[in-house]
Amino acid sequence: DIQMTQSPFTVSASVGDRVTIACRANESVSQWLAWYQQKPGKAPNLLIYKASSLKRGVPSRFSGSGSGTEFTLTISSLQPDDFATYYCQQYHSYSYTFGQGTKLEIK
Amino acid sequence: QAQLQQWGAGLLKPSETLSLTCAVYGGSFSGYYWSWIRQPPGKGLEWIGEINRAESTNYNPSLKSRVTISVDTSKNQFSLNLSSMTAADTAVYYCARKLTGDVGSFDDWGQGTLVTVSS
Repeated sequence: DIQMTQSPFTVSASVGDRVTIACRANESVSQWLAWYQQKPGKAPNLLIYKASSLKRGVPSRFSGSGSGTEFTLTISSLQPDDFATYYCQQYHSYSYTFGQGTKLEIK
Repeated sequence: QAQLQQWGAGLLKPSETLSLTCAVYGGSFSGYYWSWIRQPPGKGLEWIGEINRAESTNYNPSLKSRVTISVDTSKNQFSLNLSSMTAADTAVYYCARKLTGDVGSFDDWGQGTLVTVSS
């Protein structure tokens, strides 16, 4: 399996801050990477697919970049609704694998 | 956008078999792979496997020996069976559909079913 490692595990930030979350694969996944937001008790919500494509309806303050083994999710100006846990997921090869998650907390 | 509604037993004893079903409402059932994903309490997500209308399946190798995913196209439903359950299988189980036009990101999710394995 391809291993996905996110950093940091937790990030504390304030409304209006710019936040970047990193995701690293232990082998190339090309562009086949997605980002999800998950709130407690809810299913994950897809934000970004194919590394940098914004899903329709997702606010433009979310953006993704990277290819190969290094990826980032950036939130340009944090809003109160953005405090949640974020996961990356590779779908370059079976079986699909997820990062361990990054919890975005209010500072 | 499809609506996914799932159901099944939430409390099992060790060695029992988990059975969950997911019904798809709206959107197309054909042309998609339908997946099961789980999340142990307080932990990350694990993909279990997928099936399409033609009953072609792909499974997570770590679970393959215990997993069966089936489909009932007449009802637009698909099901998960996971045998020989242990406490390590305690998790919220989700059914999910991939994003239209993409090959592996998950756009539509069921509401989740908490499955607890305890004697």
